[in-house]
Amino acid sequence: EAAVTQSPRNKVTVTGGNVTLSCRQTNSHNYMYWYRQDTGHGLRLIHYSYGAGNLQIGDVPDGYKATRTTQEDFFLLLELASPSQTSLYFCASSDAWGYEQYFGPGTRLTVL
Amino acid sequence: GDSVTQTEGLVTLTEGLPVMLNCTYQSTYSPFLFWYVQHLNEAPKLLLKSFTDNKRPEHQGFHATLHKSSSSFHLQKSSAQLSDSALYYCALRYTGANTGKLTFGHGTILRVHP
Repeated sequence: EAAVTQSPRNKVTVTGGNVTLSCRQTNSHNYMYWYRQDTGHGLRLIHYSYGAGNLQIGDVPDGYKATRTTQEDFFLLLELASPSQTSLYFCASSDAWGYEQYFGPGTRLTVL
Repeated sequence: GDSVTQTEGLVTLTEGLPVMLNCTYQSTYSPFLFWYVQHLNEAPKLLLKSFTDNKRPEHQGFHATLHKSSSSFHLQKSSAQLSDSALYYCALRYTGANTGKLTFGHGTILRVHP
């Protein structure tokens, strides 16, 4: 069974705060992804990566940075958090073909 | 660019009735289509994926047929169960360059009641 873990599971910060969300996969997958999920918008891709050191821009990248430090680890950084970034964030991984994505349990972020 | 449209935000059904969730798409190239399901407080997971040879994928009683002529990949089930209540996403990946990127629709909530 593919395994993707995320930390923290819940995070509360204030406007202007600095937040790092972590994701680790033990599937030996090439691709990793960060999504946000909001009612009425579904899953929206923020950033993704096909290997250590690589970063691809997603569909809603503004206000977010990401870094893939190893095959296993992918981080999402919010350097000046805003209330509009309050959301449920999912990390996912997939093999080189990208046909099936395995999702982590999600991180609920609240920006006050 | 690629896009996926799910016209219904919410579908409410009585247990035992048939299910059909709509999905249409726009893609420059011939795509692969997927259905993902997300139960309450869980992560999304793959339910079905299309084939290129017109086979009909099936899983847990759900099936979907890719109709290239109408650019559709509707999800169907003959008899809804209470446990089918969930959020369903249609997604596509085009069969061109290997980007690994999926494009998701906005999702359809299915609520099945007794």
